[in-house]
Amino acid sequence: AQSVTQLGSHVSVSEGALVLLRCNYSSSVPPYLFWYVQYPNQGLQLLLKYTSAATLVKGINGFEAEFKKSETSFHLTKPSAHMSDAAEYFCAVSRAGGNEKLTFGTGTRLTIIP
Amino acid sequence: EPEVTQTPSHQVTQMGQEVILRCVPISNHLYFYWYRQILGQKVEFLVSFYNNEISEKSEIFDDQFSVERPDGSNFTLKIRSTKLEDSAMYFCAGEGAKGTEAFFGQGTRLTVV
Repeated sequence: AQSVTQLGSHVSVSEGALVLLRCNYSSSVPPYLFWYVQYPNQGLQLLLKYTSAATLVKGINGFEAEFKKSETSFHLTKPSAHMSDAAEYFCAVSRAGGNEKLTFGTGTRLTIIP
Repeated sequence: EPEVTQTPSHQVTQMGQEVILRCVPISNHLYFYWYRQILGQKVEFLVSFYNNEISEKSEIFDDQFSVERPDGSNFTLKIRSTKLEDSAMYFCAGEGAKGTEAFFGQGTRLTVV
């Protein structure tokens, strides 16, 4: 079985400050890990993914995440927050190999303070 | 850029009625999924579909639910007799062969009254 825990249902940061959204996973098999973003009234857009290549993964909009097996973590970071980053962020896990269902975390709502 | 299209964007139905949610996946995708998100809750897997068969389904996907790909392009989710608790946003997703990224549609918001 697989699961994801996102710490902090709401995170607020000032514009220009570091964004850190936490995700810890549990998986009995090698995982793939994903971060998706959901803007209001829109679908899910992939930010970045870990698929057992490089442990530091860079995604769109300046976001990156690092897979740390020893900590079972896949935290999402961005050095400098922008107002347009305000959205809901979901961490997800699947079995490695591709074409597998995603198991999502409960999400973190990111608010940017001007 | 190709995208996954879902229709309608919003559907209101009376309890006990049948609804069909429609999805047009990206043309070269082979693996298809339905997920749902009850308001304020996390996105949950419902079912995966490959080669015209269900490959996996969750405990949510009971006998009231069915999926099909009738014409090689549309991918539908049918709920036979809707309940109030079926009210949610339903997302369709697709992947190519050996894909490592699911592409999601914009979702259909289903409201059961």
